[in-house]
Amino acid sequence: AQRVTQPEKLLSVFKGAPVELKCNYSYSGSPELFWYVQYSRQRLQLLLRHISRESIKGFTADLNKGETSFHLKKPFAQEEDSAMYYCALSGARPSPDKLIFGTGTRLQVFP
Amino acid sequence: DGGITQSPKYLFRKEGQNVTLSCEQNLNHDAMYWYRQDPGQGLRLIYYSQIVNDFQKGDIAEGYSVSREKKESFPLTVTSAQKNPTAFYLCASNTRQGRYGYTFGSGTRLTVV
Repeated sequence: AQRVTQPEKLLSVFKGAPVELKCNYSYSGSPELFWYVQYSRQRLQLLLRHISRESIKGFTADLNKGETSFHLKKPFAQEEDSAMYYCALSGARPSPDKLIFGTGTRLQVFP
Repeated sequence: DGGITQSPKYLFRKEGQNVTLSCEQNLNHDAMYWYRQDPGQGLRLIYYSQIVNDFQKGDIAEGYSVSREKKESFPLTVTSAQKNPTAFYLCASNTRQGRYGYTFGSGTRLTVV
């Protein structure tokens, strides 16, 4: 069965420190992986997709098929990065558009 | 301005009542979804629809019903059979290929009083 695991409910760092939000998945096919972010009082929005290999707001994530991981990283955290982060997986047939979410990690960045 | 609109933002329901949450999109997306968001449990899929007049149960469909009579609209009814309906409900839409990620609505917070 497809599954996304985010082992940390809460991650607290100081401004300027590196950040790594962990995401592991179980899926036998070729997954498509996403990170979504929910800032306080805002709607859930797409942060980045593994297929585009992009960097958004200084965040990057690399798909490691050997370790079945898609960790989200940022070298220097900012206070405005404080938010709820969700890792998600899609691509499972018969509904490749359906997203499976992890339980989320709350990132707190202290000044 | 393209996007998804959910209404109302807050909804209070008495026990035993059915309530309907609205979700409308003007993105011309084929697929629409309803998720329930609870603290510590992430987002759990209630129902989804990939085409008009067709929808599928998600992981926690019991106590909910949906319809998809128009491409733009995917209302969710929380019935009296739903034992724990107090939650934050999110609607989303996507292309059927699913390669570009979802667009989410701003959510409806339902409270049973």
